[in-house]
Amino acid sequence: AQSVTQLDSQVPVFEEAPVELRCNYSSSVSVYLFWYVQYPNQGLQLLLKYLSGSTLVKGINGFEAEFNKSQTSFHLRKPSVHISDTAEYFCAVRKNSGYALNFGKGTSLLVTP
Amino acid sequence: DGGITQSPKYLFRKEGQNVTLSCEQNLNHDAMYWYRQDPGQGLRLIYYSQIVNDFQKGDIAEGYSVSREKKESFPLTVTSAQKNPTAFYLCASSRDREKEKLFFGSGTQLSVL
Repeated sequence: AQSVTQLDSQVPVFEEAPVELRCNYSSSVSVYLFWYVQYPNQGLQLLLKYLSGSTLVKGINGFEAEFNKSQTSFHLRKPSVHISDTAEYFCAVRKNSGYALNFGKGTSLLVTP
Repeated sequence: DGGITQSPKYLFRKEGQNVTLSCEQNLNHDAMYWYRQDPGQGLRLIYYSQIVNDFQKGDIAEGYSVSREKKESFPLTVTSAQKNPTAFYLCASSRDREKEKLFFGSGTQLSVL
């Protein structure tokens, strides 16, 4: 079965600094990868996804992620964060032939002035 | 506006009681899902349904039951067999042709009295 590991449970960062949220996956078959964001007291919304093609994927709110098959990683990056980026970020994986998503445990991004 | 509505926002369960969480969507999506979110645990899949009158168990289905009598509705019952029901429950839906893009409700917080 495929699984996702988010290496950092919390990431504090100053406003306008760059950030990287790490995600590694394990699977014996080809997978699709996703990042979702959850703002306080809300459901999740899709930030970006990798299905195939270019390994650098751009999403909403200035975020991007790079699929690295050799390192089985899909790290999320943003060159300059805002206070409003404070949220919980979830990496998720699905087998190409599968149906439902498997989520990581989440990384809490806290942006301070 | 189209979306997913979960109710109630907060729910309390007495010991030995069954409770039902409501999830309704007007997005005309075929697939619906229930996830459980615990602090530090991320999201875990309880049940999902690809089509009306059909559903499959997820990773933690024990102590839960679902029905899918209508396309718009996917209620989750937390039975007395679920010994640790306190959690945040999230309902989601997706189009069958775009399964990776989940639309989430705003969640129900279930607590045990």
